[in-house]
Parts: sequence; C-alpha cells; structure tokens
Amino acid sequence: GENVEQHPSTLSVQEGDSAVIKCTYSDSASNYFPWYKQELGKRPQLIIDIRSNVGEKKDQRIAVTLNKTAKHFSLHITETQPEDSAVYFCAAHPQGQNFVFGPGTRLSVLP
Amino acid sequence: EAGVVQSPRYKIIEKKQPVAFWCNPISGHNTLYWYLQNLGQGPELLIRYENEEAVDDSQLPKDRFSAERLKGVDSTLKIQPAELGDSAVYLCASSLDGARSEQYFGPGTRLTVT
Repeated sequence: GENVEQHPSTLSVQEGDSAVIKCTYSDSASNYFPWYKQELGKRPQLIIDIRSNVGEKKDQRIAVTLNKTAKHFSLHITETQPEDSAVYFCAAHPQGQNFVFGPGTRLSVLP
Repeated sequence: EAGVVQSPRYKIIEKKQPVAFWCNPISGHNTLYWYLQNLGQGPELLIRYENEEAVDDSQLPKDRFSAERLKGVDSTLKIQPAELGDSAVYLCASSLDGARSEQYFGPGTRLTVT
C-alpha cells in the first residue's frame, strides 16, 4: 500500500522568509496530492492540492510542486507570516482508494 | 455551503463505557471517512463509506468499534467498551466521490477516556 514520508518534522523560520516542506510517496498509482493546515484544536483545512497531470500549482503565497518520476512533492510558502504557524500535513491519494497522510510538519514563524 | 458537522465536540467518559460520535457530511458528498488522530500525528483511516456501503473497514477494530451510515447521509461511529488508549480526536471527512475529489474535514470529537 501507499506510504507517505514528510520532512522536516519541525521547521522554524523568521517572518518574511520562505518555508519548504517535502513529502515522498511510494505508490505510482497516486494521482492526487493535497496539503492540509491544522491549527491547534481545529480541523485540518485544505489549502492547496495538485493532480498528477500538473507539475506546479500556485495560489498567492503558497505553491506546490510535483515530481512524478522521483515520487515527491513539496509545499512552498513565501513571505511567511505569524498566522502561517500551524501543523501541515501532506497526503497522497491512489485513485479509488484511501488517502494516506504524512506525519506532519510543525511550522513556527518567528516575529 | 455548510461544512462537515460533527457532534459532540468533546466527550469525557470512564473506561468500559460506551460512546457514540455523529457526522453529517457536506450535502451531495457520497464518500464519508472516519479518521482517528492522535496528538501530533496525521489522521489514520478507520472506515470509508461510498454512499451507504462500507468499502474499507480494514483498519476498524471491530471487537469494540462499529459504524453505520444509514441512507447514505449521516454516519455514527460507536465504541463499546471504551479503553484508555481510545483517547484521541475522531475526525469525519467527506468528498464528492472516492475517485478524484477534494476531501473536507469536520471539526472532530475530542474523546478523553479516564
């Protein structure tokens, strides 16, 4: 079955700097890759996603890149702000099967 | 559009007692998921429904956990009897279908077993 690894487990950046979180997956049948942001005590919120027919997707300060050959995808946050502090989860979804989540990255944006 | 609704938000029970969680998915969403989330970890699937059919319950501890989704809309997850190790957040999520579409989470039920 699918296995998703995520690095780093914790990340601290200065406000205004960029943050990058990387995930790898094992199942070449995975074709949908969402990213979720979870603030303390709240629900995971879908912030951006990418499908396997696309290499990059951008939404304001957030971007996701996908390398199907290497089976890895990354979340990029530019001009980080304190409100970006949260736990971020990546996931991989083989079509018609279950989502598999990474273990999460705790991002701290220092003022 | 209303999001995924769950109740209760918090539940404290003594071990060996039963407990039930309720989920109402986004209107029109055929696929419903129940996840368990331990502190500091990613969600782990318990069961997935396509309409009223449980298509994957391989990770559901069936000796004490049960779930149902009557009429393919609302769903209930039950634990009987609860154990100390069941303390976690139970998340419900839904998607339009299980093949391609985005998955949205409810606020979760935080269960504490004492």
